[in-house]
Amino acid sequence: SQQGEEDPQALSIQEGENATMNCSYKTSINNLQWYRQNSGRGLVHLILIRSNEREKHSGRLRVTLDTSKKSSSLLITASRAADTASYFCALIYNTDKLIFGTGTRLQVFP
Amino acid sequence: EPEVTQTPSHQVTQMGQEVILRCVPISNHLYFYWYRQILGQKVEFLVSFYNNEISEKSEIFDDQFSVERPDGSNFTLKIRSTKLEDSAMYFCASSGGFSYNEQFFGPGTRLTVL
Repeated sequence: SQQGEEDPQALSIQEGENATMNCSYKTSINNLQWYRQNSGRGLVHLILIRSNEREKHSGRLRVTLDTSKKSSSLLITASRAADTASYFCALIYNTDKLIFGTGTRLQVFP
Repeated sequence: EPEVTQTPSHQVTQMGQEVILRCVPISNHLYFYWYRQILGQKVEFLVSFYNNEISEKSEIFDDQFSVERPDGSNFTLKIRSTKLEDSAMYFCASSGGFSYNEQFFGPGTRLTVL
């Protein structure tokens, strides 16, 4: 299968804690993109990391990519209740189509 | 900040009817996409469109589906004869400049087929 596998499937934390989500895949990618989806809503693009990059930051988000292990992680620091959402990694191989995983459901309790 | 828009937000139709879902991609973007998400499932790629033609389509995108860019701003997905299993959230996305860039998604159209 070409899709990424997110881990964990669900994560519950308190506000202020850090949240880490992982995405593993099986074959070499061109890039990997992380998206957030609030319940029943659209997909919000968070970060794109290319296969020749190892780490990217955006505000409280930090994404790493380890191509040797074929895995990526998304770290949300100092989480807020508003971060409650599902988070997806989406892979790009050699065409434009995004291949989404099943996501991690993050619940942040105030 | 520019964004992708979609209309309608919710469409209810009878099985066998035709529906057209509309999208206005971010202006100056060149690559356009449709994805769908059946309730509780992952987001699935349907079709990509560039330079007024389909670049790639998935197995889901059979002869009942078609896409069109009728003018310089709209991008539409037509389902000719809807089935119950077409009920899903349909997302339009666009990407600018070069291929393999970030894809920006619209808020989606929830299609309910009765």
